[in-house]
Amino acid sequence: EAQVTQNPRYLITVTGKKLTVTCSQNMNHEYMSWYRQDPGLGLRQIYYSMNVEVTDKGDVPEGYKVSRKEKRNFPLILESPSPNQTSLYFCASSFIGNTEAFFGQGTRLTVV
Amino acid sequence: EDQVTQSPEALRLQEGESSSLNCSYTVSGLRGLFWYRQDPGKGPEFLFTLYSAGEEKEKERLKATLTKKESFLHITAPKPEDSATYLCAALQGGSEKLVFGKGTKLTVNP
Repeated sequence: EAQVTQNPRYLITVTGKKLTVTCSQNMNHEYMSWYRQDPGLGLRQIYYSMNVEVTDKGDVPEGYKVSRKEKRNFPLILESPSPNQTSLYFCASSFIGNTEAFFGQGTRLTVV
Repeated sequence: EDQVTQSPEALRLQEGESSSLNCSYTVSGLRGLFWYRQDPGKGPEFLFTLYSAGEEKEKERLKATLTKKESFLHITAPKPEDSATYLCAALQGGSEKLVFGKGTKLTVNP
């Protein structure tokens, strides 16, 4: 089954404690991206990747890092989380030029 | 600045009452206009892609249309299971970046 898998689905952490949210896709997609979704603000892109070792900033990259060492994986790293990063996060993937994007189920992150 | 604006923010319909959702965009060199459905607590689910003005796509009770400045999602005789947030997104020319609107929350009452 074609899917994008994010882990964990729910996470509560404390300010400053580094965390990683994993994302994996099984469709051989070149393009992967991370979004955060906040009430009243919609989906905002954090980072995206066009292929292995190729990443670029989206609209709200501050406080986040990503890496793309393998085509199927695109982890999101919060080196020092802060309460304003409390949000619902989505990973998505698609082929370049055909952006029928497939989204993961989301990770609800709470930073206290 | 590239923008995608959806209206209304929320819409309540009675079962069987047809209506339309609007998505207006100011995106340079639009390469594609996308509609997604999102259920609470879940990731967006792809519905349609439209590439050029005049194009239409249909799926069950939904029909999406595109003009040079906006797109409409027409819902014919909706059912309660059509209740969801509908998201519109535009693909910028020269990039692979999707710009999303804030969505329209549709509630269909039985």
